[in-house]
Amino acid sequence: DVKVTQSSRYLVKRTGEKVFLECVQDMDHENMFWYRQDPGLGLRLIYFSYDVKMKEKGDIPEGYSVSREKKERFSLILESASTNQTSMYLCASRGGGLTETQYFGPGTRLLVL
Amino acid sequence: QKEVEQNSGPLSVPEGAIASLNCTYSDRGSQSFFWYRQYSGKSPELIMFIYSNGDKEDGRFTAQLNKASQYVSLLIRDSQPSDSATYLCAVNPYMNRDDKIIFGKGTRLHILP
Repeated sequence: DVKVTQSSRYLVKRTGEKVFLECVQDMDHENMFWYRQDPGLGLRLIYFSYDVKMKEKGDIPEGYSVSREKKERFSLILESASTNQTSMYLCASRGGGLTETQYFGPGTRLLVL
Repeated sequence: QKEVEQNSGPLSVPEGAIASLNCTYSDRGSQSFFWYRQYSGKSPELIMFIYSNGDKEDGRFTAQLNKASQYVSLLIRDSQPSDSATYLCAVNPYMNRDDKIIFGKGTRLHILP
């Protein structure tokens, strides 16, 4: 069974704090993704990575950075958290191949006060 | 801008009836298509994928693809209250890349007991 795990299910942080969200997958997938999901806005891609140390900006990268030092781990960093970054954050991984499925982690619900 | 469009709903269907969910996509060269189910507060989980024109059946679920008309649909037969969820359509629009798929915003389905 494919497993994508995220470091926290719920997180409360203060404005201005640096926040690390970590994601680990156990399927040797090349591709990993970070999304945020807000009511009415659907899934929005923040960053994705198609290989170790490689990253590409998604649709809403402002205020975020990422790190992929090992194939199985993809970290999302909020350099200085703001209240408008309160959201559900979802990590996903996907293997190569046009019909490969994208698997999601359980999500982290982040509240920035 | 590659887009995937879904009616946001809610779509209300009586228990035991057929629920029909539709999705259109903008990129004619799209290769593969996915349906995810997402329960409230949970992460999306894959129900089906399809990449050839026609129907694909899996239990109570049937995915239908019409590339000429650029739409994909999901039929749920004998709808159950447990089918109440948001259904996300996802499309791989890239001819030569397999790393990123585009998600619709989802259709909320409510099965009436």
